[in-house]
Amino acid sequence: QSVLTQPPSVSAAPGQKVTISCSGSSSNIGSNYVSWYQQLPGTAPKLLIYENNKRPSGIPDRFSGSKSGTSATLGITGVQTGDEADYFCGTWDTSLSAVVFGGGTKLTVL
Amino acid sequence: EVQLVESGGGLVQPGGSLRLSCAASGLTFSDSWMHWVRQGPGKGLVWVSRFRADGSASTYADSVRGRFTISRDTARNTLYLQMNSLRAEDTAIYYCAGGGSYRLNNWGQGTLVTVSS
Repeated sequence: QSVLTQPPSVSAAPGQKVTISCSGSSSNIGSNYVSWYQQLPGTAPKLLIYENNKRPSGIPDRFSGSKSGTSATLGITGVQTGDEADYFCGTWDTSLSAVVFGGGTKLTVL
Repeated sequence: EVQLVESGGGLVQPGGSLRLSCAASGLTFSDSWMHWVRQGPGKGLVWVSRFRADGSASTYADSVRGRFTISRDTARNTLYLQMNSLRAEDTAIYYCAGGGSYRLNNWGQGTLVTVSS
């Protein structure tokens, strides 16, 4: 069981918008930055969003992040077939003294 | 461009040991926290350990503390994970990652560890 809670799957048609939620607690999301990672099939994870809402160089602005209280959200606008992947949220848990991840959300583009 | 290349994975019997290596280029160890993260078959990401950028400390997940040891060789720009007393539940792809204290900017391609008799 993961410390952070994500929906197992979401789906969207090409061109639509989709959001993925990540729920935690005061000891993790509530007091630390959230990152998001994209894992395309058969590949290693890649940093998508850091410090709640910042994008590394090369990540298109179709990807956005936000945080409110003990929850965070990843948004993807103009969904493309190439966005089909698993998405993970991650942060630090102050009580556990550990990096923690969500269980991952599989995005299916219909 | 940052490159992280893991090696050392393989098949090992329960109770056995294995040492993973991660050769880094394009980043400076003294500026980067280095992590090991694993992913079981069809499972999510699980953080294993990290090594502080200034070399002063390491941290472990409860599930591996006392069995795994993280270390680095700055001269060789290589990160290691010594894994002892391996269990079936340690079977996973092990990724090396570098970045901040809990932000993983760059990832290697992973190395597969299988613990089975």
